Amino acid sequence: KAGVTQTPRYLIKTRGQQVTLSCSPISGHRSVSWYQQTPGQGLQFLFEYFSETQRNKGNFPGRFSGRQFSNSRSEMNVSTLELGDSALYLCASSPSVGGSTDTQYFGPGTRLTVL
Amino acid sequence: GNSVTQMEGPVTLSEEAFLTINCTYTATGYPSLFWYVQYPGEGLQLLLKATKADDKGSNKGFEATYRKETTSFHLEKGSVQVSDSAVYFCALSDNYGQNFVFGPGTRLSVLP
Repeated sequence: KAGVTQTPRYLIKTRGQQVTLSCSPISGHRSVSWYQQTPGQGLQFLFEYFSETQRNKGNFPGRFSGRQFSNSRSEMNVSTLELGDSALYLCASSPSVGGSTDTQYFGPGTRLTVL
Repeated sequence: GNSVTQMEGPVTLSEEAFLTINCTYTATGYPSLFWYVQYPGEGLQLLLKATKADDKGSNKGFEATYRKETTSFHLEKGSVQVSDSAVYFCALSDNYGQNFVFGPGTRLSVLP
């Protein structure tokens, strides 16, 4: 079974631009979560989607948004990029939402650099 | 709210040394506990997990036991290899459909 895929793997943008990242979960998985990873802040939860609905949201400004499609693929968008948005963005999928036994499976991440 | 605390890194060991990375948690109810590993340039991979008290998760020589009385899930390996050099994250998932909570990560370097 194919793993979680993320595209693109690397992105370079300038301040003020916007960016869209894509995530395809493992086949059959309905939950997709997004995380931002930086050396200073570690792994921070952005949001989680299940069946096209946002289930949980982390403490990020409204410039960060996401959506999920009927095939469970998910996109996240960051508008008006700032230098501090430079990070590795990780997507994770799981079979369902929450529950004590769910495991999250991570993609390789998208490395975003904002100049 | 839920939280995970890990020992400060980096941890530097010689090959074949014994490894312990401490992890403690705060959570309501009975969360599931996980260790993830991140190799350079890659995403996170599940290393092991435990879903109830006294469960022991194990994989690739690594072990961790879910200790509810001490709210801990320490990672151990009897003999580390250079290939174990990576960042290790302790995490929990509660029973209430909330998102995963990760610890800050502990960087392990194993020298030949």
